[in-house]
Amino acid sequence: GNSVTQMEGPVTLSEEAFLTINCTYTATGYPSLFWYVQYPGEGLQLLLKATKADDKGSNKGFEATYRKETTSFHLEKGSVQVSDSAVYFCALSELYTGNQFYFGTGTSLTVIP
Amino acid sequence: GAVVSQHPSRVICKSGTSVKIECRSLDFQATTMFWYRQFPKQSLMLMATSNEGSKATYEQGVEKDKFLINHASLTLSTLTVTSAHPEDSSFYICSARLSGGNSPLHFGNGTRLTVT
Repeated sequence: GNSVTQMEGPVTLSEEAFLTINCTYTATGYPSLFWYVQYPGEGLQLLLKATKADDKGSNKGFEATYRKETTSFHLEKGSVQVSDSAVYFCALSELYTGNQFYFGTGTSLTVIP
Repeated sequence: GAVVSQHPSRVICKSGTSVKIECRSLDFQATTMFWYRQFPKQSLMLMATSNEGSKATYEQGVEKDKFLINHASLTLSTLTVTSAHPEDSSFYICSARLSGGNSPLHFGNGTRLTVT
C-alpha cells in the first residue's frame, strides 16, 4: 500500500542554518509528492510539489527533488529563518488509489535567533 | 486562487450540544471535500470524504451518526458534531482540490473545538 515516512522531530536549528527534513514513500504506481507547512493554530498550506521523477519543487527558498530510485522527497532550505518555525508534512497522492492523500506524521521545526 | 474558508476558527460548547463547522471553496467549485481531524502534535486523520449531492464516505472507525456531513452545493460542505463530548475536542480541518489527478489539496484554516 501507499505510505509516507518522515523523520521524527522536533528539529531545532539556529537562524541561517541548513535544513533537511527527510521523507520517503511507498507507492504502488507513480505518485505526486507534496510538502505542506502548518503554522501554529492554522490549517495546512501547500509549500511545494513535484509530479514526476526528477522534478524539483521549490518555493520560498525551500526545495525538494522527486527521487524515484530512492523513493524520497527530502525537503531542504539553505538558510532558515525564525519565521520558518512550523510543522512540515510530506504527502503523496496517487491515481491508482483514487488520488487519496497520504500524509506523513509531520516534523516540527523550531528556529531560534 | 483555490482558497478554502473554514468557519468558525474556534468554538467552545457544552457537552451534549451540537456544533456545525462550515467549509467553503471561495473561488472554485469542489465536487469533493475532505474532513480531517488532528490531535495535538499528530498528523492528520482523514474522517470522511464529502461528495456534493450524495452521501459522505466515512473512514473506518468514524461514527457517521456523530459526525454529520452535508455537501449541499459545489462550494459548501458542513460538518456537524452531534451531542458533543469532551473527547470530541480537537482541531478539525477541511480541504478541497480543484480537480483530480495531480492537483494538490487546499486546506481551510481549521476549527479548534473545545467541549466542556
